[in-house]
Amino acid sequence: DIQMTQSPSILSASVGDRVTITCRASQSISSWLAWYQQKPGKAPKLLIYKASSLESGVPSRFSGSGSGTEFTLTISSLQPDDFASYYCQQCKSYPLTFGGGTKVEIK
Amino acid sequence: EVQLVESGGGLAQPGGSLRLSCAASGFTFSDHYMDWVRQAPGKGLEWVGRSRNKANSYTKEYAASVKGRFTISRDDSKNSLYLQMNSLESEDTAVYYCGRSGSSFPFDIWGQGTMVTVSS
Repeated sequence: DIQMTQSPSILSASVGDRVTITCRASQSISSWLAWYQQKPGKAPKLLIYKASSLESGVPSRFSGSGSGTEFTLTISSLQPDDFASYYCQQCKSYPLTFGGGTKVEIK
Repeated sequence: EVQLVESGGGLAQPGGSLRLSCAASGFTFSDHYMDWVRQAPGKGLEWVGRSRNKANSYTKEYAASVKGRFTISRDDSKNSLYLQMNSLESEDTAVYYCGRSGSSFPFDIWGQGTMVTVSS
């Protein structure tokens, strides 16, 4: 199985900050990586697919990069609506696996 | 509007069974792979399993933790996905989401989730 490791698990930041979340795969997944945002009591929402493609309707302050085993999600200027949990997921092979999540909280 | 709506969650006893449903609308259900993902209380996301589409013979994939106990099925005529859960364990307690996907593609549409609690 491909293990997905996210860091940090908790991130304290302020509105306007540039935020970066890292996701590492235990083996190469090429660019088959997605990022999701989840708010309490709600379903996850797709933000980024194929490592760097922005899902339709997602604000351009979100961006993704990386390939192989190292990936990042960047929020260029954190907005109040962005305080949430974020998960990466590999789409390359079964079983599909998620990172453990990063909670972005208000500093 | 593209939408997925899960139903069928509730309380089940250890060793018992439950069947979840996911009703799709607003898109051509038969074209898409469909998945189940679960989230235990306060925990992260765990993929449960997948049904491929008709073009791929409706073949299935399962997580090791549920293989042999859970069965995914679909009825394209009813735009519905199902998850039959047998031999339930306390570790199966979670919110269960259905999601739309594709080969090597992520879950772009999610339902609101349905809570399953396994307890005596």
